[in-house]
Amino acid sequence: SQQGEEDPQALSIQEGENATMNCSYKTSINNLQWYRQNSGRGLVHLILIRSNEREKHSGRLRVTLDTSKKSSSLLITASRAADTASYFCATDAYNNNDMRFGAGTRLTVKP
Amino acid sequence: DVKVTQSSRYLVKRTGEKVFLECVQDMDHENMFWYRQDPGLGLRLIYFSYDVKMKEKGDIPEGYSVSREKKERFSLILESASTNQTSMYLCASSSPPGGTSGNTIYFGEGSWLTVV
Repeated sequence: SQQGEEDPQALSIQEGENATMNCSYKTSINNLQWYRQNSGRGLVHLILIRSNEREKHSGRLRVTLDTSKKSSSLLITASRAADTASYFCATDAYNNNDMRFGAGTRLTVKP
Repeated sequence: DVKVTQSSRYLVKRTGEKVFLECVQDMDHENMFWYRQDPGLGLRLIYFSYDVKMKEKGDIPEGYSVSREKKERFSLILESASTNQTSMYLCASSSPPGGTSGNTIYFGEGSWLTVV
């Protein structure tokens, strides 16, 4: 079963705007991770937030985690055309080694 | 640099053929995974392995088997390929949770399999 579900499925914005993607999950987690996938390629890890953290930053990325609502958001500020990709959240079921991914958000940044 | 290598980028196989997808990682990771990715369905876990010769079924193991004889190598086997197994297959590896990197997953570039 897929643990994470991203929302929206697709997002189209202009260069320079901010992009926000959301992720909801179902069970308790140790951590939640966000990944990026360029078309036809493998996924690349962006950022990890642990269950006892509420917010984390990495460059133009800001991730929040609300464990009471079982949700996370990924904010990309000042987007660039090169940010065009699919973004996935992934969660680990508590005490498990395996990771489950959602269906992803397809982000298009128009120049 | 971290590396997960999938042996074939593109394959075309006939229905009923036995197919091997090979994956090697050079990070000494305990965990290895095989996912399948289809449009609109995201990544679905087929099998994972947390140690040599150990394997666990994921969400969609039917029609697949795996082999992990060495720590660095994890093979996905389609015993008798069918057209509904046409997909992109992604191999990945990670350390167990609890370390400084959590269980960050490192992916290969993917193998596009077409079954005709």
